[in-house]
Amino acid sequence: GAVVSQHPSRVICKSGTSVKIECRSLDFQATTMFWYRQFPKQSLMLMATSNEGSKATYEQGVEKDKFLINHASLTLSTLTVTSAHPEDSSFYICSQLGTLPDEQFFGPGTRLTVL
Amino acid sequence: AQSVTQLGSHVSVSEGALVLLRCNYSSSVPPYLFWYVQYPNQGLQLLLKYTSAATLVKGINGFEAEFKKSETSFHLTKPSAHMSDAAEYFCAVSRQGAQKLVFGQGTRLTINP
Repeated sequence: GAVVSQHPSRVICKSGTSVKIECRSLDFQATTMFWYRQFPKQSLMLMATSNEGSKATYEQGVEKDKFLINHASLTLSTLTVTSAHPEDSSFYICSQLGTLPDEQFFGPGTRLTVL
Repeated sequence: AQSVTQLGSHVSVSEGALVLLRCNYSSSVPPYLFWYVQYPNQGLQLLLKYTSAATLVKGINGFEAEFKKSETSFHLTKPSAHMSDAAEYFCAVSRQGAQKLVFGQGTRLTINP
């Protein structure tokens, strides 16, 4: 299956700053990527669908101005958490669709801690 | 709307014992169902999937799951646990293949020697 990497794996930032998380497809061109958020001991929640060359589609309740998604190439999607607050602290996971309609490959996740 | 409930956030079994991880779903349309495994500091890896074909699905590493529509369940089993099976397991449902997945809260499986 496809290999997806995320960078950084962990990040700590001060409240009010912005943080960028990268999601790379290492061996496959990904026209569609997804961003999930996982709180401790809770489910992964889909935040948005990222399509290469177009605007991301956000799930209900997700602030698009807060969580900026850019998918400028077939191998890279970025999630920027703007003006981060402690409640944004979470585990962020990206994924990409495979060649088959029911395939999805996940990155290892990024743990964000906002102080 | 679709939802998934995984019964038991933590399951502990002895090495060699049966593994049973429970998953119940709610869906207004015929569901696609998935089990994923997550090892520490790694991404989610697909174990198996149900996509309206055979109700008994076999996956990797000796795992299998049975789709039971009458019980709205998709429980994951493995006859004999190995130490290497210790991980977090997620059940997920979707209505359009894997386009939009709705996950359960996960079950942490611990294997006792």
